[in-house]
Amino acid sequence: DAGVIQSPRHEVTEMGQEVTLRCKPISGHDYLFWYRQTMMRGLELLIYFNNNVPIDDSGMPEDRFSAKMPNASFSTLKIQPSEPRDSAVYFCASSPSLIGLGMNTEAFFGQGTRLTVV
Amino acid sequence: AQKITQTQPGMFVQEKEAVTLDCTYDTSDPSYGLFWYKQPSSGEMIFLIYQGSYDQQNATEGRYSLNFQKARKSANLVISASQLGDSAMYFCAMREGVASAGNKLTFGGGTRVLVKP
Repeated sequence: DAGVIQSPRHEVTEMGQEVTLRCKPISGHDYLFWYRQTMMRGLELLIYFNNNVPIDDSGMPEDRFSAKMPNASFSTLKIQPSEPRDSAVYFCASSPSLIGLGMNTEAFFGQGTRLTVV
Repeated sequence: AQKITQTQPGMFVQEKEAVTLDCTYDTSDPSYGLFWYKQPSSGEMIFLIYQGSYDQQNATEGRYSLNFQKARKSANLVISASQLGDSAMYFCAMREGVASAGNKLTFGGGTRVLVKP
């Protein structure tokens, strides 16, 4: 398997523009996570899905952020309109479902998308 | 409230020596998992080691071991015989059981380790 695939790797956009980040999870994984990493705030969980359904979006900073998972092999994180403070590295991660008490279900991360909003 | 706390923002370690990275966590769920990840300067997140809340023994994986003290809610990572390639950010993470947070995976603030030759 190719692992979690994110695109684009780098994105530079102007303030006010719409930005769409894409993620293809590992086939067969039931969970998908979106994280944002900044120097100031570290790794923040924005939202996560289980079987394509959003479970917890409490980490989404504002209504400008939205995420979808139309099927098991694709998810998007959209920022509209973008602002300079959205500049960060955005990671997508996927993991298998839990089996009983076996919690060793590490999350596999994509390479991240470095977003710069100018 | 912080779920995962890493109190050491950065530390130096001499090559070939051992280093301990602190991690404390907060959960009321009896079923949870603790993970450590490494993030080198290239940016990727690399899984290192896992400890389950019901595991009786401390996890080990090569030069990595986890000092799990359940009553104190701590899960410190020990890296033995440090190598220059161990220089990186290290993140502690927790995944809570279905009963509470629905398998949410949250991370601490990280500890930057620099190995000196």
